Amino acid sequence: GAVVSQHPSWVICKSGTSVKIECRSLDFQATTMFWYRQFPKQSLMLMATSNEGSKATYEQGVEKDKFLINHASLTLSTLTVTSAHPEDSSFYICSASRPLYNEQFFGPGTRLTVL
Amino acid sequence: AQKITQTQPGMFVQEKEAVTLDCTYDTSDQSYGLFWYKQPSSGEMIFLIYQGSYDEQNATEGRYSLNFQKARKSANLVISASQLGDSAMYFCAMREGGWVYTNAGKSTFGDGTTLTVKP
Repeated sequence: GAVVSQHPSWVICKSGTSVKIECRSLDFQATTMFWYRQFPKQSLMLMATSNEGSKATYEQGVEKDKFLINHASLTLSTLTVTSAHPEDSSFYICSASRPLYNEQFFGPGTRLTVL
Repeated sequence: AQKITQTQPGMFVQEKEAVTLDCTYDTSDQSYGLFWYKQPSSGEMIFLIYQGSYDEQNATEGRYSLNFQKARKSANLVISASQLGDSAMYFCAMREGGWVYTNAGKSTFGDGTTLTVKP
């Protein structure tokens, strides 16, 4: 099956710093990728839809200036958490759509801890 | 707006027995897809099964089957012959129509059900 990778798998940073998370589709081109946030024992909440070559579409309530998304190529989307604060600590998961496949292909997730 | 409801926060099942995880949905779209994903403690999301809104037959994938009742807007997951490795969180999700051709179609997830398989 299709593989989506995420890097890093976990990161610890100090409050006020920025953190970049990469999402790559390894064996297919993904024109659309999705970024989710998940708190422990809770559901996945869609943050934004990342479209290659255009601006991301953010869900209501998600701060665009805080969660910067760049989809510069057909295999890479990045999420940058700017000026991170402890409340940004969460599990971030990306997924990609593949043509003619029904399911989304998920990355393994990135656990962010902000001290 | 799409909505997925999973009313069972936690479920227990004895090893080798079958278990049904409930999922109801709400949408005004005629074309949509219903999905079940498994999330073990490692956090990865594993695709289990898919049902299209126009599919007349219930989907099956190995030990997984989806009991699709369109009129009742339910899409329950049935796991037969439970195994210890089935212990995980299970999410029901819905995707808006047209995604196959547009690559778009964001998914809406339910709150999940934590399944524990007892030996």
